Order: sequence, then structure tokens, then C-alpha cells
Amino acid sequence: DIQMTQSPSSLSASVGDRVTITCRASQSISKYLNWYQQKPGKAPKFLIYAASSLQSGVPSRFSGSGSGTDFTLTISSLQPEDFATYYCQQSYSSPYSFGQGTKLEIK
Amino acid sequence: EVQLVESGGGLVQPGGSLRLSCAGSGFSFSSYWMSWVRQAPGMGLEWVANIRQDGSEKYYVDSVKGRFTISRDNAKNSLYLQMDSLRAEDTAVYYCASGSVTDLDYWGQGTLVTVSS
Repeated sequence: DIQMTQSPSSLSASVGDRVTITCRASQSISKYLNWYQQKPGKAPKFLIYAASSLQSGVPSRFSGSGSGTDFTLTISSLQPEDFATYYCQQSYSSPYSFGQGTKLEIK
Repeated sequence: EVQLVESGGGLVQPGGSLRLSCAGSGFSFSSYWMSWVRQAPGMGLEWVANIRQDGSEKYYVDSVKGRFTISRDNAKNSLYLQMDSLRAEDTAVYYCASGSVTDLDYWGQGTLVTVSS
């Protein structure tokens, strides 16, 4: 099974900051990588698929990059509604495992 | 508007069984893969199982193989998860999600399953 590791586990930032979250796969997954956002008490929301393609309706301040084993999610200018937990998920092979999450908190 | 509504969660003793349901509306249910994802209290997301549009393919995470069964009834726009031989470590919020074989486009609000004596 493929293991997904995110870093950091938590991150403090301010509104307007540029932040980057990293996700690493235990083996090459090409560009089969998704990102989700989850707010407390809510279901996750699908943000990015195929490593860099934005799901419809997701603001353009979100972007994704990477291939192989290393991937990043970048938020170019943090907005108050972006403070949440972010998860990567490999979509290369079953079981379609998630990273452990990165909690983005207000500084 | 796409809606997914889970039901069937609750308190069950270790070794017991529970059947979760997920009712879909606002989209062509029979055209999409459906999945179950769970989240233990205070923990991250764990992909559990998914099922092809016609039910002909099903995949499971190893920890539930042989104990959980995913199924669907397209005539009723419904997804199910039969959970047998439940363990304490199965305690979680269970979400259903629609999408492709790998992408989880829309999610329900979740239903809590607690396995405890």
C-alpha cells in the first residue's frame, strides 16, 4: 500500500500570507494526487485533482504542483475562510490513502 | 444541488453489526462511483471502500476486508455499507462520497458509528 506523508502537521499563518503544504508519497504516483479542505465539524471539500487541476468553483489563490513522489499545495494569499485542515490523497492505486492532514491556524 | 445524506449510525457492541445507508439526490446517481470514507474522533481521513456504477467492481482497505460489504441500489439512489464483526477501532464518522473511481467530488455530512461495550 502507498503511504502519504504531509508536512508540516500544523502551520500558523496570517491573512494575506503565502503558504505551502507538502505531501510525499512512499512510491511514485505520477500526477495521481488530490487535495481536500476540511473545516471543523464539516465534510471535506474537493479542491484539486491530478496534482494541479482546480475543481470547479475553487478560488484561483489555490494551486497544486508536483509529480512522482513530491507534491505541494500553495495558497497565494490566505483569506479568513482558508483556515482549515488540508489532506492530500493518492489516486494511483487502491487503497486510495490520505495523508495525515495539515492544520492551518491563524497566527 | 447534489445532496448525500447518510444514516444508520449509532452505538453498537464489539462484534456486532450495523448497516449504513447513503441517499443521493440532485445528480445522476447511477453514473458515478460511490465511496465510503471514515474519520476516527480527532483523527484524519481513511478511505474505506468504493463501488463502480453498476456494482461490478468493489475495492476495500485491508482493515475492513471480509468484515464490511459495500453495495448500491441505483433504482433507489442509495449506497450501503454493511459492517459486521465491528471493533473498537471502527469507531468513526462515516462519510459517503460521489465521484470517479478515485476522486471524491461531493460528500455527505457523515454518520457517527461508536463501537463500545
